[in-house]
Amino acid sequence: NAGVTQTPKFRILKIGQSMTLQCAQDMNHNYMYWYRQDPGMGLKLIYYSVGAGITDKGEVPNGYNVSRSTTEDFPLRLELAAPSQTSVYFCASTPGVGGYTFGSGTRLTVV
Amino acid sequence: AQSVTQLGSHVSVSEGALVLLRCNYSSSVPPYLFWYVQYPNQGLQLLLKYTSAATLVKGINGFEAEFKKSETSFHLTKPSAHMSDAAEYFCAVTLGVIAGANSKLTFGKGITLSVRP
Repeated sequence: NAGVTQTPKFRILKIGQSMTLQCAQDMNHNYMYWYRQDPGMGLKLIYYSVGAGITDKGEVPNGYNVSRSTTEDFPLRLELAAPSQTSVYFCASTPGVGGYTFGSGTRLTVV
Repeated sequence: AQSVTQLGSHVSVSEGALVLLRCNYSSSVPPYLFWYVQYPNQGLQLLLKYTSAATLVKGINGFEAEFKKSETSFHLTKPSAHMSDAAEYFCAVTLGVIAGANSKLTFGKGITLSVRP
């Protein structure tokens, strides 16, 4: 099915570990985004990309890194995980100005 | 810069009653506005969007919203609530004039809708 695919769905990390959250879309969208969702806080933008090879910081980029080597993939890297990074992470894409298509999310717990 | 305010965190209505979820925005240029719904343990799904055409926008599942520039509002309504409408609802805004970097959405904090039998 066409859409945005996120893996893994769940993950528990220990403090100081690192991991990569995967995001792939098959709709040939140029624009891709990573958000984190915390209870009562809505969604906060971590990083975004307007095309392959182009990325930029969002509102809460500290502790994260991204890359965009292809149109399809936009992985999010967590280095030295901290409890404050416990959250639900959503990847989204859009062809331009308009509605996003969201993935189903990755629930991350850092202990 | 743009922002969205969703007053209150929880709304409870009876089944069959009117649903009204409020959203006010702030934007330096004419905005594009969106409502998303999130069911438990799922991603966000687009309900409807305003992109400078008709000010009354109809979406899925019987929802609609009206863009009122004078009130900087984009409230979401549904005439008759169903049990299946229980979910979290997010209002979001983006700058509609220029794409690229301005395509990123800014979300409100969300409102949880409960529907009583």
